[in-house]
Amino acid sequence: QVQLQQSGPRLVKPSQTLSLTCAISGDSVSSNSAVWSWIRQSPSRGLEWLGRTHYSSTWSNEYAFSVRSRITINPDASRNQFSLQLTSVTSEDTAVYYCGRGWAAFDIWGQGTTVTVSS
Amino acid sequence: QSALTQPPSASGSPGQSVTIPCTGTSSDVGSSKYVSWYQQHPGRAPKLLIYGVTERPSGVPDRFSASKSGNTASLTVSGLQAEDEADYYCSSLSGGDNVVFGGGTKLTVL
Repeated sequence: QVQLQQSGPRLVKPSQTLSLTCAISGDSVSSNSAVWSWIRQSPSRGLEWLGRTHYSSTWSNEYAFSVRSRITINPDASRNQFSLQLTSVTSEDTAVYYCGRGWAAFDIWGQGTTVTVSS
Repeated sequence: QSALTQPPSASGSPGQSVTIPCTGTSSDVGSSKYVSWYQQHPGRAPKLLIYGVTERPSGVPDRFSASKSGNTASLTVSGLQAEDEADYYCSSLSGGDNVVFGGGTKLTVL
């Protein structure tokens, strides 16, 4: 079955870059039929979709309006994983971050990573 | 403030049915074929219950059903069971390629 395993630091200092990785097993990041997303959840902002990456003859990304200037999602076909980078973080970026499979409906989720932004 | 509006709480007794509404606008729920519902137990990742407005993934009991009318989507849980006590979230495609979520509804089984 398809599984997503997240990794990355749980504590990030303000103004620095948050970086998380999602390793895929049972599917391929390069699959023409799969889409790979990042979603976060916090008490103040609820569930918030951040962006997605997908491959169909070429790689494409779409990002949420709220983080568009600060976010990059990169696929890594050689390692069958994808990553999230969020720059210039503030306390507002403190949340549980999830990776997931799907365009608009997410049928597979990672285990979640609690990331705290604090000095 | 979430883009889609859900009541913060709902409740029902075992065996009863409960309906949770999710209200958006003509730019999201009202015009989207991509309305989804999720169940989340404490400390767990959300689980997909409904996609494509009314479709259930394999393995989701048929006690969970959904519909849409205008700008409001609804999730109905029939034959309530103790394990249905959880948070429920709706989501919709918005603005072409963005996804927006509701604020969540805490379902209590009395």
